[in-house]
Amino acid sequence: ETGVTQSPTHLIKTRGQQVTLRCSSQSGHNTVSWYQQALGQGPQFIFQYYREEENGRGNFPPRFSGLQFPNYSSELNVNALELDDSALYLCASSLAVARSTDTQYFGPGTRLTVL
Amino acid sequence: EDKVVQSPLSLVVHEGDTVTLNCSYEVTNFRSLLWYKQEKKAPTFLFMLTSSGIEKKSGRLSSILDKKELSSILNITATQTGDSAIYLCAVRAYNAGNMLTFGGGTRLMVKP
Repeated sequence: ETGVTQSPTHLIKTRGQQVTLRCSSQSGHNTVSWYQQALGQGPQFIFQYYREEENGRGNFPPRFSGLQFPNYSSELNVNALELDDSALYLCASSLAVARSTDTQYFGPGTRLTVL
Repeated sequence: EDKVVQSPLSLVVHEGDTVTLNCSYEVTNFRSLLWYKQEKKAPTFLFMLTSSGIEKKSGRLSSILDKKELSSILNITATQTGDSAIYLCAVRAYNAGNMLTFGGGTRLMVKP
């Protein structure tokens, strides 16, 4: 157990809807990264938050957005859901010191199905 | 664009066998290579290898980084059914924040 928690564990949405996924980072960690893992593939980096600001983004459209709160928990929001958004969404937390981060520890993920 | 390729895609062995998983990478400003084990959902951290730490060992698992060949191997000796999982390799670059670029993983099944 890494101490990183995510909610919900799974959910089902329809195309065009919006979804919010939540992540609580491990105690003492100040950086949160989000990844999308499609079935049979490795995780793909969506973005990272450090001190409540986006600090790096992968190749994902603007309808993927996020927030980090003062307690370092985080949300991932996806608007206008598409079928291809069906995936396991993983949150990873780490400790950054002077913007240099340590190993990332992953949460159990949220399985999103878009119908 | 950074790239990580893992082989084989999948592997079936029997308990007690030794396995070697491969990871090759192309990355600008290489910083570190990480191995994770993914059983159900959460990838769990195994090793991190850097230019200053090219070999790591923990119990039956060990990993080596070959900086010249831009690759890494993960060895598991005396495999057990509990080793069945997807093994993920990821690289991290300098000036890329915390972004990890993952390979597609190797699915290992250990039969009793």
